[in-house]
Amino acid sequence: EDQVTQSPEALRLQEGESSSLNCSYTVSGLRGLFWYRQDPGKGPEFLFTLYSAGEEKEKERLKATLTKKESFLHITAPKPEDSATYLCAVQAPRSGGSNYKLTFGKGTLLTVNP
Amino acid sequence: EAGVTQFPSHSVIEKGQTVTLRCDPISGHDNLYWYRRVMGKEIKFLLHFVKESKQDESGMPNNRFLAERTGGTYSTLKVQPAELEDSGVYFCASSQGHLYQETQYFGPGTRLLVL
Repeated sequence: EDQVTQSPEALRLQEGESSSLNCSYTVSGLRGLFWYRQDPGKGPEFLFTLYSAGEEKEKERLKATLTKKESFLHITAPKPEDSATYLCAVQAPRSGGSNYKLTFGKGTLLTVNP
Repeated sequence: EAGVTQFPSHSVIEKGQTVTLRCDPISGHDNLYWYRRVMGKEIKFLLHFVKESKQDESGMPNNRFLAERTGGTYSTLKVQPAELEDSGVYFCASSQGHLYQETQYFGPGTRLLVL
């Protein structure tokens, strides 16, 4: 069974203090690793998809990287508006079922103080 | 372009009652998914439609849950009769075509509380 573990569960940063969030996964044949951002009371908002080890993607202050066992979401010089829960999800082939299913981690709650 | 919409945003019902959740996917998206987040747990897959057909319903908890997708457009998820453990946030998502690595776009969710 696919497993996704995110750490830390919660992270508090000062504005401008860079850090990284971790997503460790166990799957049989990764098809894609997805990062989402979720604000309170809203649905997950897509950030990135990574497909193979060594791949990196950037968007503003966020950079996602992927290895064969984990993914990191690096946040450079965060601002208070970056405060949210960051979710990691994996997609892997499944015999007898849909290949489209996303398996999520519990998320990391990021708080950026001004 | 309108995103995925869900109705209602909140629902409070008593144990044993019936509730129907609705999801309108992004126009033109063939794939529609239902997920659920129970308090303290991760978001979990419930089922996947391709147009009007159920592709995978392996995540449906039990036969109290019934999902339909009329004409390949909007979808409903009915819980009958509701139990306390059904409380949580129900998310709907949609993706465009036939590539499973395509982005799934999520709606805002329906917060269900069963008393």
